[in-house]
Amino acid sequence: DAGVIQSPRHEVTEMGQEVTLRCKPISGHNSLFWYRQTMMRGLELLIYFNNNVPIDDSGMPEDRFSAKMPNASFSTLKIQPSEPRDSAVYFCASSLVQGGDTQYFGPGTRLTVL
Amino acid sequence: AQSVSQHNHHVILSEAASLELGCNYSYGGTVNLFWYVQYPGQHLQLLLKYFSGDPLVKGIKGFEAEFIKSKFSFNLRKPSVQWSDTAEYFCAVKGNTGKLIFGQGTTLQVKP
Repeated sequence: DAGVIQSPRHEVTEMGQEVTLRCKPISGHNSLFWYRQTMMRGLELLIYFNNNVPIDDSGMPEDRFSAKMPNASFSTLKIQPSEPRDSAVYFCASSLVQGGDTQYFGPGTRLTVL
Repeated sequence: AQSVSQHNHHVILSEAASLELGCNYSYGGTVNLFWYVQYPGQHLQLLLKYFSGDPLVKGIKGFEAEFIKSKFSFNLRKPSVQWSDTAEYFCAVKGNTGKLIFGQGTTLQVKP
């Protein structure tokens, strides 16, 4: 298996623009997680899905952030409008067992908002 | 609320030195515990995990960790580090919420 796939790997955008990050989980995995990593706050869980349904979005910073999982093999994290403080590395992870057994992480998307 | 604390933020060792990274968590119920490693420029990879049974867990690349329930600790150890172990190490706990809570991470720098 190719592992968790994320795109793009790097994104540079200007403040106010919409940003869409994409994730393809490992085939057969039931749970998908979005994390944000910054120097100041470390690794934070933003939202996670079980069987394509959002279970916990308490980590989503504010209404500018939204995530969807239209099917078992694809998820998006959207920021609209983006702000410089959103600059971070965004990781997607997936796991086989509901509730998050061992999570397998993607390579991440490094987002820079100017 | 569950939380994870990693005591050492930055550790510098010479090759062949022994390593111990501290991890404490706050949660009174049943937990699953993990150590992940992030090599420079790469994504997080699982080093080892504890769900139940023998509290001494062995992982990849010679790493091990010991779960001490009375101390709420899950410290990571390696008898002899190599330059290639230079990375950031994250302790994580999963309790009844189903979410993984990560510590702030420890940066390990191994000097050749």
